[in-house]
Order: sequence, then structure tokens, then C-alpha cells
Amino acid sequence: QVQLQQWGAGLLKPSETLSLTCAVYGGSFSGYYWSWIRQPPGKGLEWIGEINHSGSTNYNPSLKSRVTISVDTSKNQFSLKLSSVTAADTAVYYCARVVVVVGSRYYYYYMDVWGKGTTVTVSS
Amino acid sequence: AIRMTQSPSSFSASTGDRVTITCRASQGISSYLAWYQQKPGKAPKLLIYAASTLQSGVPSRFSGSGSGTDFTLTISCLQSEDFATYYCQQYYSYPRTFGQGTKLEIK
Repeated sequence: QVQLQQWGAGLLKPSETLSLTCAVYGGSFSGYYWSWIRQPPGKGLEWIGEINHSGSTNYNPSLKSRVTISVDTSKNQFSLKLSSVTAADTAVYYCARVVVVVGSRYYYYYMDVWGKGTTVTVSS
Repeated sequence: AIRMTQSPSSFSASTGDRVTITCRASQGISSYLAWYQQKPGKAPKLLIYAASTLQSGVPSRFSGSGSGTDFTLTISCLQSEDFATYYCQQYYSYPRTFGQGTKLEIK
């Protein structure tokens, strides 16, 4: 049974860099995309970006200039860095496994396993 | 970016009710849509993908339909554990985008 365990600093000052890591246990690391999603307090979900085992990434353009997602296949881990944070980056950050299946007549993409979330607060 | 709009944003229902949540995309997304359920303080849980394919282990009272721009999530007979917030998410194009959520509360 695949589990995602995530960790990172929970309190940052404005202008600092957010850094989170998500480790994958109990399953294959290759063959999937690995994603970061965040949720500001009392608000909805925002997709940040994703990476696959070979390092191919996709980012949300709204964050792209500040985001880096990287992968360490030797440890079955992937990481998120978000630079120059402000109070608007205060949120619960989730990591998730993304299943992607492409056929001649179908295309499946879904986040089927999620980490428990890390609360990140940006405050001076 | 494709905008996903859910309706209603919140509503109240009773155990045993049949409820339908609507999700509308700002442009056609074929059937490239997933639904998630989120309970307070918990990570989202996948319910449905490809608009109508039930994820393994999800009760059959959940169903999804639609294609193009209009989609629905239906819960045929509400159970107490179904009171939660529901999100649709498109995967037709990047960036992936979610609806704003529909909070289902107990009447």
C-alpha cells in the first residue's frame, strides 16, 4: 500500500524560500507523475506542479517563476521549493501521486494517493 | 487557464437524499474530469476520473456523468459519511485547475 510522507518548515518569514519534501513508501516511484497542490485557509485547491521520475516537470504559470520541483529517485522522494514567499503563500501543501494512462481512445489522469498535508505559515 | 465553476457552492441535505453537484468548464474538456471528496483537516480523496469511472473502493452510490463543458456528480442515497466538500478538476490542459468546491452540509 503506497503511502506518501511529507515534511518541511512550517513557519517562514516573507521573502524566504519554502522547502518541502515528500517520500514515497510501499510502491513504485517510476511510471507516475508526482504533484504538489496547496490549499489556503478556508479556500479551495490550487495545483502547483508535477514531476515524473525522469525529471520532466509541469508548473502552474501563476507560480512558475518561483517554483522548482525536483526528484531524487535514489530515495524515492520529490521536493518543492517556492521562493520569495509572502503571506499569500500561507496554505496547507499536499503531495500526491498522479496516475496517467493514455490510450488510443482514453486518457486518464488522477491523483489517487495523497500525503497528509503540511501547514505552511508565512508571517513576519 | 480553464476555469471550473461548481454549483451550488454549498447546500444542506438529509441522510437518504439524492444529491447532484454540477461542474462547468469554461471550454470543452472532453471527459477529462475528476472528482474529489475532502473532509475537514484531511487530504482530498479521489472519487471519480474520466468523468464517470468510479475509483476502486468508492461506494457505488457515487456516480459521475457529462462531457464537453457540463458535468455532474450524483450521490444516490446520502450517508452520514458523505457530508464533505467536493471538488471537480480538469485535466484537459495545463495548468490543472479545480472548481471552487461544493460544501455539502447536514440539514
